[in-house]
Amino acid sequence: RKEVEQDPGPFNVPEGATVAFNCTYSNSASQSFFWYRQDCRKEPKLLMSVYSSGNEDGRFTAQLNRASQYISLLIRDSKLSDSATYLCVVTVSNSGYALNFGKGTSLLVTP
Amino acid sequence: DAGVIQSPRHEVTEMGQEVTLRCKPISGHDYLFWYRQTMMRGLELLIYFNNNVPIDDSGMPEDRFSAKMPNASFSTLKIQPSEPRDSAVYFCASSTTDRSAYNEQFFGPGTRLTVL
Repeated sequence: RKEVEQDPGPFNVPEGATVAFNCTYSNSASQSFFWYRQDCRKEPKLLMSVYSSGNEDGRFTAQLNRASQYISLLIRDSKLSDSATYLCVVTVSNSGYALNFGKGTSLLVTP
Repeated sequence: DAGVIQSPRHEVTEMGQEVTLRCKPISGHDYLFWYRQTMMRGLELLIYFNNNVPIDDSGMPEDRFSAKMPNASFSTLKIQPSEPRDSAVYFCASSTTDRSAYNEQFFGPGTRLTVL
């Protein structure tokens, strides 16, 4: 069983829609949490870190529930340029720097 | 500033051949990571280095894989002999212990390896 689980999608949404992705992780000792974005045939890039209190960056909101070992990403007012794969990422428990990646959730925003 | 540099960008080889992938991390970064990405398994951590020293190689699939980091600006991942199931995109990433960087890893463009 992979340590980080995500619904692979694809999520097809119209421009302007709100879409939410969920992710669960198995290792309760994980300390840090992130969302990365990967465009088709490109490298992953950090989208945002996820804090226990929840955090927002423009149209993006990330939430963490440590008790349920659950992470979410909400995208409001979707843009065509949001089309990508969103990777849920947690740190490996015995290291602050090695990361476990989910397989990603594919988002396609349509006109 | 230059990002993480990887070469080659594409590699096509025949089963049994040796393959060497190269990576130059961002200057000043003290962590270097090698990942492999496939459709079936997603992005998997193979090995990572801190200050040129291998810290965890538990993700290396088998003895056919080896990685080195002879200095702070260069690392190699070698597969010998290569097999068709090694076909994947191999990413190198680097990061810094600067806490303000939120553990962000910066990825290179990847090497797309095809083993025939």
